[in-house]
Amino acid sequence: DVKVTQSSRYLVKRTGEKVFLECVQDMDHENMFWYRQDPGLGLRLIYFSYDVKMKEKGDIPEGYSVSREKKERFSLILESASTNQTSMYLCASSFGDSPYEQYFGPGTRLTVT
Amino acid sequence: QQQVKQSPQSLIVQKGGISIINCAYENTAFDYFPWYQQFPGKGPALLIAIRPDVSEKKEGRFTISFNKSAKQFSLHIMDSQPGDSATYFCAASFSGGYNKLIFGAGTRLAVHP
Repeated sequence: DVKVTQSSRYLVKRTGEKVFLECVQDMDHENMFWYRQDPGLGLRLIYFSYDVKMKEKGDIPEGYSVSREKKERFSLILESASTNQTSMYLCASSFGDSPYEQYFGPGTRLTVT
Repeated sequence: QQQVKQSPQSLIVQKGGISIINCAYENTAFDYFPWYQQFPGKGPALLIAIRPDVSEKKEGRFTISFNKSAKQFSLHIMDSQPGDSATYFCAASFSGGYNKLIFGAGTRLAVHP
């Protein structure tokens, strides 16, 4: 079974803190993705990576950065957390360039106070 | 042009009834249309997917209907069960796009016994 794990299920941080969200997949997938999920807005792509050390901006990259030093691990970084970044963050992974199933982690509920 | 519009936002169906969720898209380059199902506390998981060379795909009680000329597709859940209560997301993707998915806003389905 494909497994995508995220480092925390719940996280509470203060405004201005630097926040790291970690994601690990065990299927040797080339692609990894970070989404945020907000009610009524669906899943919005923040960043994705199609190879180690490669990254591409998604639809809402402002205020975020990412790091992919190893194929199995993709980190989302909030450089200076703000209250409008309170959200559910979902990591996903998939094979290759053609459309394939994306496998999602359970999500991290981040609250910024 | 990248949007996928999903309706309704929420849906209540009686057990045994038919649940219908609709999506529309603009970008004719999309060539893969998956539906994801998300239970509370879990990440989304692929439910069923279709490519535009077929007009319908059925898997058990779940059917995707696809209308290429209208740029619309829909999910039908026959004989809806309380266990189908979840949030459903339609999405679209295209080959050569690193498997990026454009998600609809989601539909929260409640099936009452």
